[in-house]
Amino acid sequence: GESVGLHLPTLSVQEGDNSIINCAYSNSASDYFIWYKQESGKGPQFIIDIRSNMDKRQGQRVTVLLNKTVKHLSLQIAATQPGDSAVYFCAGPIIQGAQKLVFGQGTRLTINP
Amino acid sequence: EAGVAQSPRYKIIEKRQSVAFWCNPISGHATLYWYQQILGQGPKLLIQFQNNGVVDDSQLPKDRFSAERLKGVDSTLKIQPAKLEDSAVYLCASSLATGYNSPLHFGNGTRLTVT
Repeated sequence: GESVGLHLPTLSVQEGDNSIINCAYSNSASDYFIWYKQESGKGPQFIIDIRSNMDKRQGQRVTVLLNKTVKHLSLQIAATQPGDSAVYFCAGPIIQGAQKLVFGQGTRLTINP
Repeated sequence: EAGVAQSPRYKIIEKRQSVAFWCNPISGHATLYWYQQILGQGPKLLIQFQNNGVVDDSQLPKDRFSAERLKGVDSTLKIQPAKLEDSAVYLCASSLATGYNSPLHFGNGTRLTVT
């Protein structure tokens, strides 16, 4: 079946640096992905999404890059702040509009002062 | 916009007991989901409703888990009897529709501990 996974379970960065969180997927027919942020004791919160007809999408301090050739996507967080400390999940695939999300294992982002 | 409401926030039971969780989705959201999140893992879909009909329950352990969404609004998830491995956070989510441009909105979950 489909799988979505993250490369690293933990990532530690200095406050103010940029963070890059990676994710790989297995189904080449996947055409929609979502990044979620989960803070301790809370449910996942939508950050940004991307369709397969795009290579890049930008939000506020966040950018998602999609490389369909190697079935890889990444979430870049600019000027990381203490409030960015959380677990980040990529979720997909969504094929032809069907909402069948599979979540990766998550990457815990820790911000060092 | 009020978010997805879940209760209780925490629950501790002994194995073989029963437990029920409640969810009130965002007003107007037709699709409702229950996810199980074991510590250190990503959420795993248990069941998906579209209005009051079940769309996908392929990963629901039907011998002990049941869920309903009466009148297409609130939903309850029940476990009977509970096992130790059911210890997890149970997340409810809702979305306006299914598919593109309709991301899931999650509640803060119910943390279940089975002893």
